[in-house]
Amino acid sequence: QQQVKQSPQSLIVQKGGISIINCAYENTAFDYFPWYQQFPGKGPALLIAIRPDVSEKKEGRFTISFNKSAKQFSLHIMDSQPGDSATYFCAASRYGGTSYGKLTFGQGTILTVHP
Amino acid sequence: GAVVSQHPSWVICKSGTSVKIECRSLDFQATTMFWYRQFPKQSLMLMATSNEGSKATYEQGVEKDKFLINHASLTLSTLTVTSAHPEDSSFYICSANMVSEAFFGQGTRLTVV
Repeated sequence: QQQVKQSPQSLIVQKGGISIINCAYENTAFDYFPWYQQFPGKGPALLIAIRPDVSEKKEGRFTISFNKSAKQFSLHIMDSQPGDSATYFCAASRYGGTSYGKLTFGQGTILTVHP
Repeated sequence: GAVVSQHPSWVICKSGTSVKIECRSLDFQATTMFWYRQFPKQSLMLMATSNEGSKATYEQGVEKDKFLINHASLTLSTLTVTSAHPEDSSFYICSANMVSEAFFGQGTRLTVV
């Protein structure tokens, strides 16, 4: 019930291409879905997040698509750049309740963008 | 955004000794902080929830006597790895929430030799 499944494990994209990473969750109580970017030896940094009351959110080159009925959400990186090469994690949490702030992470996707 | 600072960034210790890792929220107060552990090329696994002024809540399978957590103030939580062994070598990361957003420290690389 607490799992978040992420795919693919790794992704290679050419510069300028679109990177797509997918996540699926089981716990319908989750109501906050962030994506994090992590560089080697660093802590994760928030990229973009979505609440289930909207189906899409865009910030610059990053877009989250959210499908509540399918319990799936995805990250799209448009015009991918070599500097985007990093590990990406999806996560989910409950905005309220006793689990407030506890993030359940997906397994991570290693993105490599070739110049 | 808000800043969470972790110290040290890396530490090497001998087997059997204890190591303390600090997590500070620099520009906001955090009644709750979280401690994660990350093995190479793996995801972050929540170890415990640190609560200011009360006992930490540990996730299933995490030894609370080995990983001591103290949240002495609204801006500081510490994780002490007691009697460290090589299998405790890992990347430890803390986070604190401001409103709904989690801010992470830069992580601490612990190597036990």
